[in-house]
Amino acid sequence: EVQLLESGGGLVQPGGSLRLSCAASGFTFSSYAMSWVRQAPGKGLECVSTITSNGGGTYYADSVKGRFTISRDNSKSTLYLQVNSLRAEDTAVYYCARGRLAPDYWGQGTLVTVSS
Amino acid sequence: DIVMTQTPLSSPVTLGQPASISCRSSQSLVHSDGNTYLSWLHQRPGQPPRLLIYKISNRFSGVPDRFSGSGAGADFTLKISRVEAEDVGVYYCMQATQFPYTFGQGTKLEIK
Repeated sequence: EVQLLESGGGLVQPGGSLRLSCAASGFTFSSYAMSWVRQAPGKGLECVSTITSNGGGTYYADSVKGRFTISRDNSKSTLYLQVNSLRAEDTAVYYCARGRLAPDYWGQGTLVTVSS
Repeated sequence: DIVMTQTPLSSPVTLGQPASISCRSSQSLVHSDGNTYLSWLHQRPGQPPRLLIYKISNRFSGVPDRFSGSGAGADFTLKISRVEAEDVGVYYCMQATQFPYTFGQGTKLEIK
């Protein structure tokens, strides 16, 4: 069974940082591109970043470029999102999802709240 | 960025009746590889989204055959042949032809 388990969210002050993790199991992690998609409270979905299966290609939405860094450790079947210089508008549930062209499995998400 | 526009934004439907959601993109979603990366996702309250349809019309594993997708170019439709109670929630179209991948605003399906 494919499982994705996010962690690392929490309450952080504006300008702060967090490292989000997504532990994957039930499939060959190194064979799949992965994505981070966020959803602000009561709002729609925004794809913030994706990474190719070997980590050689990364993509970022303009809203997070230069502040967020996606990475992966295929030996640990884990996806990461380093989020820096956080702003109030980054407050959202952050989901990791398998794949990028058609994300087929999603985790339950981790909530990031940016507030003073 | 490619803008995805869904209509309607809200759809009250009677159980057992059909439902249809439209999604239009601001430009063609045909990729240079010949594929059209248009997907449909469903999100129930308090749950993560789940994939229903990929590449316009392919049902993902375990998705009931009452769900169908169609369209081409920049105009797409999701149809539910007979709405069931478990189908309530928000439906999103998503394009992955060009980064940044973008979603429609969402269509809320409610039971009358």
